[in-house]
Amino acid sequence: GESVGLHLPTLSVQEGDNSIINCAYSNSASDYFIWYKQESGKGPQFIIDIRSNMDKRQGQRVTVLLNKTVKHLSLQIAATQPGDSAVYFCAEGYNNNDMRFGAGTRLTVKP
Amino acid sequence: IAGITQAPTSQILAAGRRMTLRCTQDMRHNAMYWYRQDLGLGLRLIHYSNTAGTTGKGEVPDGYSVSRANTDDFPLTLASAVPSQTSVYFCASSAQTGTGELFFGEGSRLTVL
Repeated sequence: GESVGLHLPTLSVQEGDNSIINCAYSNSASDYFIWYKQESGKGPQFIIDIRSNMDKRQGQRVTVLLNKTVKHLSLQIAATQPGDSAVYFCAEGYNNNDMRFGAGTRLTVKP
Repeated sequence: IAGITQAPTSQILAAGRRMTLRCTQDMRHNAMYWYRQDLGLGLRLIHYSNTAGTTGKGEVPDGYSVSRANTDDFPLTLASAVPSQTSVYFCASSAQTGTGELFFGEGSRLTVL
């Protein structure tokens, strides 16, 4: 079956630098794509989503890029802070009943 | 603001025992979900409910059952627990389907021996 995956399982960045977390997906029929952040011992927290008819969306310090040609999704975090240290998940879906999550990337921010 | 409340936080259970994980939300969201999280596999949907009185099967429903008697509560039951059900279980809710914005609880860590 089709699945969502991540290129890098871990990412370490210096505080203040920009972070880029990548995600590959294989289901070209997905309607939307989402990024979640999960801190240790907590539940996932919604960050940002993007619909399949868009290629870029910006939030507070975060930007999500969608490249449907190569089925690639990325999350860019500007001026990464220690509080950004967490596991980041991408997910794809048609509706919430069929949303598939990737395995996650652990982001570590070095002071 | 409570959001999603799950109980218990952690539980060790003997194989073959029955266990119910509780989930309550105070956001009046129509849709609720149960996921399990296993290292390297991400989150996998067990069961969902789009509205009170209805439920559906997700990606990994075998061995689990749910009920949705009202808007706020969505318990998950393991009728006869097996070691492969050792996992962290997350309950979530959303105001509507068709978007990816789910609100998750803090999780219930279940160990089946």
